Amino acid sequence: QQQVKQSPQSLIVQKGGISIINCAYENTAFDYFPWYQQFPGKGPALLIAIRPDVSEKKEGRFTISFNKSAKQFSLHIMDSQPGDSATYFCAASKAGPSNTGKLIFGQGTTLQVKP
Amino acid sequence: DGGITQSPKYLFRKEGQNVTLSCEQNLNHDAMYWYRQDPGQGLRLIYYSQIVNDFQKGDIAEGYSVSREKKESFPLTVTSAQKNPTAFYLCASTETRGGSTDTQYFGPGTRLTVL
Repeated sequence: QQQVKQSPQSLIVQKGGISIINCAYENTAFDYFPWYQQFPGKGPALLIAIRPDVSEKKEGRFTISFNKSAKQFSLHIMDSQPGDSATYFCAASKAGPSNTGKLIFGQGTTLQVKP
Repeated sequence: DGGITQSPKYLFRKEGQNVTLSCEQNLNHDAMYWYRQDPGQGLRLIYYSQIVNDFQKGDIAEGYSVSREKKESFPLTVTSAQKNPTAFYLCASTETRGGSTDTQYFGPGTRLTVL
C-alpha cells in the first residue's frame, strides 16, 4: 500500500514530441504528488507538484494530470527538448497527525530526447 | 549561497570498514533525510530526523546509523553490517517537521563504492 509504481522505465522521444510518464498508487491517504527531475551525477530537484483537489496543473511545458478515482497521475512534457533528458521520479506523501514529510518514490524513468 | 552540501563526492571503502558520509545544510531547515539510490529502484529512505537529537528509521535502516547533534548537520555512517553498500547516497531537507507539501531539497549526492 505504500508503493508508487512508475512506468515506463525508459523513454526515447524525438525533439518536439510529447513525453508521458505514468504513476499509480494504492494508499488513498496520499495527498501530495510531486515530480522530481534528476540529471546524471546530481541530486533530484522538484519539477512540479499537485494536490488531489485538482485534476491538472501546468507549469510551462510540464503538466501533471491527476485521476483520483483511478489513483493515477502522469507527467506530460510538451515540445520535449534535448535538455529535458534526465531521470524523472514521481513521489507521494500523506498528511495526518503522524505525518513526517516522508516521500514514497516511484522507480524512476530515464528520458532521452533525440535532436 | 544556501543549500545542501554532501561530502565526499566519491568514496571508496574496503569490505569490513565503516565510513561516514557528511551532509550539511544552511537553509535553517528542521527536517533532514537520507536516501539510497540504486538503478531501477528509485530512492529508498534510510533515516530521517525532524528535530535535533531525534531521528527515526526509514525503510532500509539496517546497516546504517545517523546522528543529529546540530540542526545543520546529519551525518550517515555506513557500517560493516550493511551487506551491499555500493550505491548513490542522497541527503535532503525540508523546512518544517511534517508538512506533507514541503519541498524536499536534495544535495548533490555521494557515490560509495565498496572494493
